Amino acid sequence: NAGVTQTPKFQVLKTGQSMTLQCAQDMNHEYMSWYRQDPGMGLRLIHYSVGAGITDQGEVPNGYNVSRSTTEDFPLRLLSAAPSQTSVYFCASRGGSWSDTQYFGPGTRLTVL
Amino acid sequence: AQSVTQLDSQVPVFEEAPVELRCNYSSSVSVYLFWYVQYPNQGLQLLLKYLSGSTLVKGINGFEAEFNKSQTSFHLRKPSVHISDTAEYFCAVSDLQGAQKLVFGQGTRLTINP
Repeated sequence: NAGVTQTPKFQVLKTGQSMTLQCAQDMNHEYMSWYRQDPGMGLRLIHYSVGAGITDQGEVPNGYNVSRSTTEDFPLRLLSAAPSQTSVYFCASRGGSWSDTQYFGPGTRLTVL
Repeated sequence: AQSVTQLDSQVPVFEEAPVELRCNYSSSVSVYLFWYVQYPNQGLQLLLKYLSGSTLVKGINGFEAEFNKSQTSFHLRKPSVHISDTAEYFCAVSDLQGAQKLVFGQGTRLTINP
């Protein structure tokens, strides 16, 4: 098992550019989510999905879009990047119950100039 | 809505000394509680979790935490730390009805000095 994988590891964008952060898991997990990590603020939930075709907003969804067409993949799209979106982004997945362990990917460090 | 406060942003300790990382939460409903560890330049790894039952929860790497409902706390402890425990530690909470809505604290950076 590769677990949760994220690409790219690093990315630099200019203001207004768009990009997609990729996340994939090979554990057949129902639940997947995206967090951003900023210094002194812990991790904040952006979007999450409880299964293919079902997504919902988290705490800080503005400026981000998601879709879940397959169980394995959960991409995060930035339609028009802003400097405020400079952050480290983590994808996570777990099975259908809170008794299941949540696994995090290694993160994507994004800088928006 | 839930919230989590980690009372110390940084905790320096000497190797082989005991350590306690403090976490308080706020919620109007029953909650699940978690501690995660993040080693430098890595993702988060689950240390332990409280879902129900015994209030003393044992996790990996010799860590344990105690759920105190009356004080709304979930402090993390280790009796003797090692250099390899140097990392950032995050407390997190979720209500029992939540899907993936984990709310994290701000993190505590644990530094172990030789």
